[in-house]
Amino acid sequence: GENVEQHPSTLSVQEGDSAVIKCTYSDSASNYFPWYKQELGKRPQLIIDIRSNVGEKKDQRIAVTLNKTAKHFSLHITETQPEDSAVYFCGSGATNKLIFGTGTLLAVQP
Amino acid sequence: DTAVSQTPKYLVTQMGNDKSIKCEQNLGHDTMYWYKQDSKKFLKIMFSYNNKELIINETVPNRFSPKSPDKAHLNLHINSLELGDSAVYFCASSRDSSSYNEQFFGPGTRLTVL
Repeated sequence: GENVEQHPSTLSVQEGDSAVIKCTYSDSASNYFPWYKQELGKRPQLIIDIRSNVGEKKDQRIAVTLNKTAKHFSLHITETQPEDSAVYFCGSGATNKLIFGTGTLLAVQP
Repeated sequence: DTAVSQTPKYLVTQMGNDKSIKCEQNLGHDTMYWYKQDSKKFLKIMFSYNNKELIINETVPNRFSPKSPDKAHLNLHINSLELGDSAVYFCASSRDSSSYNEQFFGPGTRLTVL
């Protein structure tokens, strides 16, 4: 069946450094790739998304890139801040089904 | 106003009991979901309803039975609770069943089975 692999499972960076989280999907029909952020004890919330007709999208310090040929997409966070610490989930969507990756715990050390 | 709400927030119960979790959304969305998040933080879809009709039913034990009395509510009833059911259960909603739509999550219900 369809699955989404996400790496790394944990990531620790120093404040101000960049963080990159990568996902790989298997369903060739997938054409929508959101990223959700879940702070400790809180609910997941959408932070950015990209559709398959776009290779890159940026919103302030976060950006997402998509390589549809390789079925890879990545989340890039620049100038990380302590409030970026959270679990990040990638998603792969086709038609009416969204599958989430396994999550990445990002810790930004002050 | 809370967009997606769940009750209760915490639920502690004994093995073998039956319990329900309620979810309501006031966003006017057509589609609602139940997710299970285990101790490893994996977020797994369990069910999805669109306009009160079941559209996604992942491999979930029959002990779990969702019920949607109207499109603003999706409740989850669990029979004969087991230790492995301990997790955080999130309800979510989206405008419609297209995967392109943002999903709005509830605050979660932490279920602990003793």
